[in-house]
Amino acid sequence: SQTIHQWPATLVQPVGSPLSLECTVEGTSNPNLYWYRQAAGRGLQLLFYSVGIGQISSEVPQNLSASRPQDRQFILSSKKLLLSDSGFYLCAWSEGLERNTEAFFGQGTRLTVV
Amino acid sequence: GQQLNQSPQSMFIQEGEDVSMNCTSSSIFNTWLWYKQDPGEGPVLLIALYKAGELTSNGRLTAQFGITRKDSFLNISASIPSDVGIYFCAGRPSGTYKYIFGTGTRLKVLA
Repeated sequence: SQTIHQWPATLVQPVGSPLSLECTVEGTSNPNLYWYRQAAGRGLQLLFYSVGIGQISSEVPQNLSASRPQDRQFILSSKKLLLSDSGFYLCAWSEGLERNTEAFFGQGTRLTVV
Repeated sequence: GQQLNQSPQSMFIQEGEDVSMNCTSSSIFNTWLWYKQDPGEGPVLLIALYKAGELTSNGRLTAQFGITRKDSFLNISASIPSDVGIYFCAGRPSGTYKYIFGTGTRLKVLA
């Protein structure tokens, strides 16, 4: 069966520090991968998605970037964090070539920028 | 970023009551998904819909894919305290691989 792992679970970082959040999927090949951010009490905002290695689509201009160095690895990064980057970050995957498919989520990373 | 219109925003109901929530979009979707999120956790998939008009059940939950492909609703029958949480709809626009989420419905069940 497929599983998705996301870490760390919580992170407190000072303003101006770099960020690296990692997400890996097991049990499938060539998945579509997604990064979402959720502000407190709000909905999920799509930040990036990827349909293959090295292919990144950015949905919202921001202080963050994403990379996909391996088929089942998706990384969210920032060179210098801002206070507004605080939030709950969620990674998700779906079957790559399937038209009718669902997205499955990791447990999330709670990022607090201080 | 794009978001779906989801209503109601929140609701308090008595245990045993039925609940209904819906999502609408200005564009056509070829997939509608409904999720439940508990505090501090990732959303968990409840129901997936792939055809216009499709009606699908999962226990006490029933969801439908609107005929126009621009809306969907979720019903919860005979609510229980563990139904408390935030419910999200999500849609996949035609021709894309991305999932757009609704603003969420916060459900509170009074015993």
